[in-house]
Amino acid sequence: NAGVTQTPKFQVLKTGQSMTLQCAQDMNHEYMSWYRQDPGMGLRLIHYSVGAGITDQGEVPNGYNVSRSTTEDFPLRLLSAAPSQTSVYFCASSQGQGSTEAFFGQGTRLTVV
Amino acid sequence: AQKVTQAQTEISVVEKEDVTLDCVYETRDTTYYLFWYKQPPSGELVFLIRRNSFDEQNEISGRYSWNFQKSTSSFNFTITASQVVDSAVYFCALSFNDMRFGAGTRLTVKP
Repeated sequence: NAGVTQTPKFQVLKTGQSMTLQCAQDMNHEYMSWYRQDPGMGLRLIHYSVGAGITDQGEVPNGYNVSRSTTEDFPLRLLSAAPSQTSVYFCASSQGQGSTEAFFGQGTRLTVV
Repeated sequence: AQKVTQAQTEISVVEKEDVTLDCVYETRDTTYYLFWYKQPPSGELVFLIRRNSFDEQNEISGRYSWNFQKSTSSFNFTITASQVVDSAVYFCALSFNDMRFGAGTRLTVKP
């Protein structure tokens, strides 16, 4: 049972480049979310999805795009990378929207130069 | 708006000391959930405990205990007889529709 799988683990981008962070879960969870972790700020919610075809914005959505075409996958797209998007990104899934524990991926460390 | 405050940025203790990590939250919801997660130096996030707003019973799990007090909007976490392996960043989180995290407390346990 793989749980939540994120790829890549590390990525360096140049300013203005675009890329997609992949996230897949094999637990049949309806709820998935993306967070970014910055020093001294904890984890901040970027986007979330309550099921296939449904997404919504979190606290810090600007510069990011998501889609949810299947229950298993929830990719995060950086449209035009900026140095301010240098962060560690975590994908999470849970059985319930806010009532159950979240299972997190291993994280993606992104550096934008 | 939901908010979680972990006022202690860093705590350093010597092994076998007891340590309490504070968590204060704000919410207008009457139904909500509180969580603690541990992030060891390896970086993954490990679930520790979940508590719903209607269950104020304190919980003990081995050396870990949690004190939930709605009257003070606090959900504090105590580690008894700390060990070096407890060194990590600990996050408190509040959830209703989505999960909001505090800034985290970095705990260092020295041998």
